[in-house]
Amino acid sequence: NAGVTQTPKFQVLKTGQSMTLQCAQDMNHEYMSWYRQDPGMGLRLIHYSVGAGITDQGEVPNGYNVSRSTTEDFPLRLLSAAPSQTSVYFCASEMGDTQYFGPGTRLTVL
Amino acid sequence: AQSVTQPDIHITVSEGASLELRCNYSYGATPYLFWYVQSPGQGLQLLLKYFSGDTLVQGIKGFEAEFKRSQSSFNLRKPSVHWSDAAEYFCAVGAPTGNQFYFGTGTSLTVIP
Repeated sequence: NAGVTQTPKFQVLKTGQSMTLQCAQDMNHEYMSWYRQDPGMGLRLIHYSVGAGITDQGEVPNGYNVSRSTTEDFPLRLLSAAPSQTSVYFCASEMGDTQYFGPGTRLTVL
Repeated sequence: AQSVTQPDIHITVSEGASLELRCNYSYGATPYLFWYVQSPGQGLQLLLKYFSGDTLVQGIKGFEAEFKRSQSSFNLRKPSVHWSDAAEYFCAVGAPTGNQFYFGTGTSLTVIP
C-alpha cells in the first residue's frame, strides 16, 4: 500500500490563481479530510468527506472547495489564491477512528 | 466547545533524560485521544491512541501516555529520550461519533547531547 499520497510537494502561486491539490489513498478508507498547518496554530480542519459523493465543511473552509467522486481521491481546490492561504496542507484518511496523514503540500501564495 | 491545549511550545531535554509532554483537552464526553509526531518536512505519524479501557497506553518508539479524566489530561511520556526523538509533537482529540478531530498547537522537542 502506498498509503496517503499528495501532489505536488511544493507549489508557488500568484494571488488570484487557481489550483488543485491532489490527494489519493489506496486503503479503501471512507473518511478523508484536509487540514492546513500554520506556525503556532496546529492543524485546522478545512473540509472532510465521509464517503464518495459526501463532503462537509470543517473549521476553516472559506476559499476552498472539495469534491469526492471516488473513494480513492479527495482533491482540494483553491479558486482564487490569497496570501493568507500560504500554508502546509495535509490530507488524511481514517480507519478505525485513527487518521493517517499524507506527506503534505507546501503552498506559497505571492 | 472542543479544544486541545499543549501548554509547552518548546521543550529541551538532554539525551537519556525522561520526557513528559503535557496535553489538556476540553470535551463534553470521553473523547478519543491521540498523540502524533512530526519530523521536519514530514507528515504526521501516529504514536499512540486512547479510546477506552486501560488509562495507560503504550505506543511506538517507547512512548506511553496516561489518560486522567479528573484532570482532562493525556500527557505523553518517555523514560529515556534519544536524539532521534527531536520533532514536533501534537496532541489531538476526536469525537467518538467521528468526523471531527481537533489538534493542539504542538510542542517542539529539542534533544541535546
